[in-house]
Amino acid sequence: EPEVTQTPSHQVTQMGQEVILRCVPISNHLYFYWYRQILGQKVEFLVSFYNNEISEKSEIFDDQFSVERPDGSNFTLKIRSTKLEDSAMYFCASSEDSPYSGANVLTFGAGSRLTVL
Amino acid sequence: DAKTTQPPSMDCAEGRAANLPCNHSTISGNEYVYWYRQIHSQGPQYIIHGLKNNETNEMASLIITEDRKSSTLILPHATLRDTAVYYCIVRVHGSGNTGKLIFGQGTTLQVKP
Repeated sequence: EPEVTQTPSHQVTQMGQEVILRCVPISNHLYFYWYRQILGQKVEFLVSFYNNEISEKSEIFDDQFSVERPDGSNFTLKIRSTKLEDSAMYFCASSEDSPYSGANVLTFGAGSRLTVL
Repeated sequence: DAKTTQPPSMDCAEGRAANLPCNHSTISGNEYVYWYRQIHSQGPQYIIHGLKNNETNEMASLIITEDRKSSTLILPHATLRDTAVYYCIVRVHGSGNTGKLIFGQGTTLQVKP
């Protein structure tokens, strides 16, 4: 079964450092998402991305965050200058369904755990 | 998107049916009901979705009441591997929807031997 692949599985970084989390969505999917989950808390939406641009972003997704699809396969989340409160699991998701017509099923990756010291 | 209400936790005996309720009394006509689950901090996993009619797939059944104000996810023969947090999410489709899902606290289902 096709899956969304995320790397690294765990990254430890110092506060203030830049971090890039990578995702390989399912190959025929066109809609991409990042979510995060702070330990013990809810899964929170960060950003949706389609046609090489952000479709929607949450209040969490401030200027420290950026997303990019640098080639035909990778979808990255960059945190420019990490803070302690950025420590969380970050989940990438993709979908082949347009959210504008009919149901829209997201497939999530296993996540990247970010620990900021 | 409509808000959902789920019990925080439930237990189920292994091999028995697990029935997970969800209230979504403010659901509107173009909002689908989705169920996802999350096993021990893994990525959320899609289970099933529906609009008006009951649905069944290889994982579960979804029963939606006629007024669509509540639904029940049924795992017909729960196993220990079904222990997870189950999320009921309602989401509009159509213009203005970017596909994001809003997760609540969900129901923690504990399947016991």
